[in-house]
Amino acid sequence: DVKVTQSSRYLVKRTGEKVFLECVQDMDHENMFWYRQDPGLGLRLIYFSYDVKMKEKGDIPEGYSVSREKKERFSLILESASTNQTSMYLCASRSRSSSYNSPLHFGNGTRLTVT
Amino acid sequence: GENVEQHPSTLSVQEGDSAVIKCTYSDSASNYFPWYKQELGKRPQLIIDIRSNVGEKKDQRIAVTLNKTAKHFSLHITETQPEDSAVYFCAASTPRGATNKLIFGTGTLLAVQP
Repeated sequence: DVKVTQSSRYLVKRTGEKVFLECVQDMDHENMFWYRQDPGLGLRLIYFSYDVKMKEKGDIPEGYSVSREKKERFSLILESASTNQTSMYLCASRSRSSSYNSPLHFGNGTRLTVT
Repeated sequence: GENVEQHPSTLSVQEGDSAVIKCTYSDSASNYFPWYKQELGKRPQLIIDIRSNVGEKKDQRIAVTLNKTAKHFSLHITETQPEDSAVYFCAASTPRGATNKLIFGTGTLLAVQP
């Protein structure tokens, strides 16, 4: 069974702090994703990575950056946290499929509060 | 840009009734349509998916239908049970170079009343 592990379940940070959210998957998946989940807005894609050191912007990348130095690890960075980044952050991974899509496997989420 | 609309946002049914959630997508190149269930405090998990070359797929009490011409797809849950209560997300996947981009709907909160 695929395991996607997010390092923190709950985080409280102050405005202006640099915040690191870590995600590790154990299934040698090529593709990794960061989403944020807000009530009424569903899951919105922040960044994704289709290989080591490769990254692409999603739909809401402003205020975020990412790092993928190793295949199993994908980090989300908030350079200077702001209160509007208070949210649930979900990491996901997926095997790259040559013909059909394969499903996303999600972590348990990190609930970040910026005060 | 790509967009997935999902309706209704909330749905309350009596135990044993059916529930239907509908989604429409904007990108005609979308070729894969998964549905995820998220129970309270838990991660979203895939419950069923359908590919663009198939019109309908069933798995016990759940089924998904796809109308490519109209660009909409639906989730059907029959004989609902209290444990079906959750938030359900539809999604549409479009090929984009080295990977496929998955766009989610805004979610439907399903409440099954015992």
